[in-house]
Amino acid sequence: DIVMTQSPLSLPVTPGEPASISCRSSQSLLHSNGNNFLAWYLQKPGQSPQLLIYLGSNRASGVPDKFSGSGSGTDFTLKISRVESEDVGVYYCMQGLQTPLTFGGGTKVEIK
Amino acid sequence: EVQLVESGGGLVQPGGSLRLSCAASGFTVSSSWMHWVRQVPGKGLVWVSRISSDGSNTVYADSVKGRFTISRDNAKNTLYLQMNSLRGEDTAVYFCGRYYNGALDVWGEGTTVIVSS
Repeated sequence: DIVMTQSPLSLPVTPGEPASISCRSSQSLLHSNGNNFLAWYLQKPGQSPQLLIYLGSNRASGVPDKFSGSGSGTDFTLKISRVESEDVGVYYCMQGLQTPLTFGGGTKVEIK
Repeated sequence: EVQLVESGGGLVQPGGSLRLSCAASGFTVSSSWMHWVRQVPGKGLVWVSRISSDGSNTVYADSVKGRFTISRDNAKNTLYLQMNSLRGEDTAVYFCGRYYNGALDVWGEGTTVIVSS
């Protein structure tokens, strides 16, 4: 199974400031079609996860452009350009390259 | 609107059974690879099972293999998870999701399963 490792575990952020979350996989997520099968999710309290980024760097429909994904192979980053109160919650990365799908342990973003 | 709605969760005794349902709207489950993921409250997301678009291929996490069965009813546009021989460690919120472009792009709101005597 592909192991997904996220950091940091917790991320206190001042409103308006940027934030960055790292995700590393134990195997390359680069598919033969040239895409990285890495997704990012935000799970707000009491809700199901919502897709933010797919294929490493593509924003899902309706996701504001303050969210951006980058990276390739085994190292990926999610950046929020300016954190707002509505962005609090737990962020997860997930590899979609092979079954079982596996998730990072999560990064809790909170407002200072 | 593309949507998934789970149901069927509840309180069940150890060794008991439950069948979870995941009703789809806005797309057809028969044209999609569908997954179940679970989450113990306050903990992370754990993949449970997957069914291929044509239903010919199913895969399970080792922790549920032999006890859980994923299936779907194309006429009802619904995904199922039959859970037998339930254990305390199966207690979780269960989500269904559609797999597309390397991600689970649509999730249901989840249904809670509590296994306890």
